[in-house]
Amino acid sequence: SQQGEEDPQALSIQEGENATMNCSYKTSINNLQWYRQNSGRGLVHLILIRSNEREKHSGRLRVTLDTSKKSSSLLITASRAADTASYFCATDEGYGQNFVFGPGTRLSVLP
Amino acid sequence: DAGVIQSPRHEVTEMGQEVTLRCKPISGHDYLFWYRQTMMRGLELLIYFNNNVPIDDSGMPEDRFSAKMPNASFSTLKIQPSEPRDSAVYFCASSSDRGYMNTEAFFGQGTRLTVV
Repeated sequence: SQQGEEDPQALSIQEGENATMNCSYKTSINNLQWYRQNSGRGLVHLILIRSNEREKHSGRLRVTLDTSKKSSSLLITASRAADTASYFCATDEGYGQNFVFGPGTRLSVLP
Repeated sequence: DAGVIQSPRHEVTEMGQEVTLRCKPISGHDYLFWYRQTMMRGLELLIYFNNNVPIDDSGMPEDRFSAKMPNASFSTLKIQPSEPRDSAVYFCASSSDRGYMNTEAFFGQGTRLTVV
């Protein structure tokens, strides 16, 4: 079963715009992570947010976590064509080291 | 470190043949994960190991699938006999455990398996 569910499934924006992706999950967690996957490649870790954190930044990325709503959002500011990829959230289902991924959001950034 | 290394990168085999996928995790990592990715089902966790011991294999689809980790630097995922519906990209990932300081998973480049 998939713990995280990303929304939307696909997103198309112009370069320079912001992109927001959402993730909902079902069980309590210790942490939530976001990953990026370029076409034909493996997943690359972007950012991890712990259950006691509400917001985290890394460069142009901003992640929020609302444990009461069991949801998270990933914001990419000032998007670039190179940000075109699929983005996945992953949760540990409270077990600590078990990564369960959602179906992902396909982001297309048009030049 | 060279990262997680998977081999082969591509595998084309005939239905009924045995397929073995290989993975070398990052040195020092004590967790190893096998995932399967398809368009229809997304990224599925098949099995994961901690210190070479299988912890959860509930994602292994059938008895045709088996995974081993004979030592800390090597793991295999075997499919015998293979079927066309096994066609997918198989990823291996590893991570380290710092107690309850959860860490990220590092993924290999994947093995694209095609069963004809």
